[in-house]
Amino acid sequence: AQSVAQPEDQVNVAEGNPLTVKCTYSVSGNPYLFWYVQYPNRGLQFLLKYITGDNLVKGSYGFEAEFNKSQTSFHLKKPSALVSDSALYFCAVRRITGGGNKLTFGTGTQLKVEL
Amino acid sequence: DAGVTQSPTHLIKTRGQQVTLRCSPISGHKSVSWYQQVLGQGPQFIFQYYEKEERGRGNFPDRFSARQFPNYSSELNVNALLLGDSALYLCASSRGTVNEKLFFGSGTQLSVL
Repeated sequence: AQSVAQPEDQVNVAEGNPLTVKCTYSVSGNPYLFWYVQYPNRGLQFLLKYITGDNLVKGSYGFEAEFNKSQTSFHLKKPSALVSDSALYFCAVRRITGGGNKLTFGTGTQLKVEL
Repeated sequence: DAGVTQSPTHLIKTRGQQVTLRCSPISGHKSVSWYQQVLGQGPQFIFQYYEKEERGRGNFPDRFSARQFPNYSSELNVNALLLGDSALYLCASSRGTVNEKLFFGSGTQLSVL
């Protein structure tokens, strides 16, 4: 079985400050990890993915994520938050082999960036 | 290129009815997956189809079924609707089934009264 935990329902940050959205995962074997963002009344948009290689992954809109195998974490980060980053963020995991396209999502973290 | 398109965008049904949701993948994408997103939760995997064959099924009852057509579009059918089926139903497409990122449509919001 595979699972994702996003321990924070909401993260508040001031514009211009760094932001972190936390994610921990559980999966048998090596993980394939994703971050998606969802704006109101819209589907999910891909931000970034990790499969192997450098533990720091760079993605869309200035976001990056750090894979930490020992802590089974994949936290999303951005050096300087924008008001337009306010949205619902989902972390997802699947097995690298045999997982097909079955992603297991976390419950989501609402990011609110204030002026 | 057009993204993943889903129809209808909104739907209201009553308990016991049946519903069909439709999805057109991005051109060139052969895999379609369906997810259910209940308010306040993350999307839950329902089905994956690739080249018209079912490649994966989530933990959903047999009231849920799907199929994929030769043009790679897909339909999700739900029979004997329950109030708990009220959710946003998301379709996602990808080129293949291995190590692919998913492209999601905007979803169909189903309300069961």
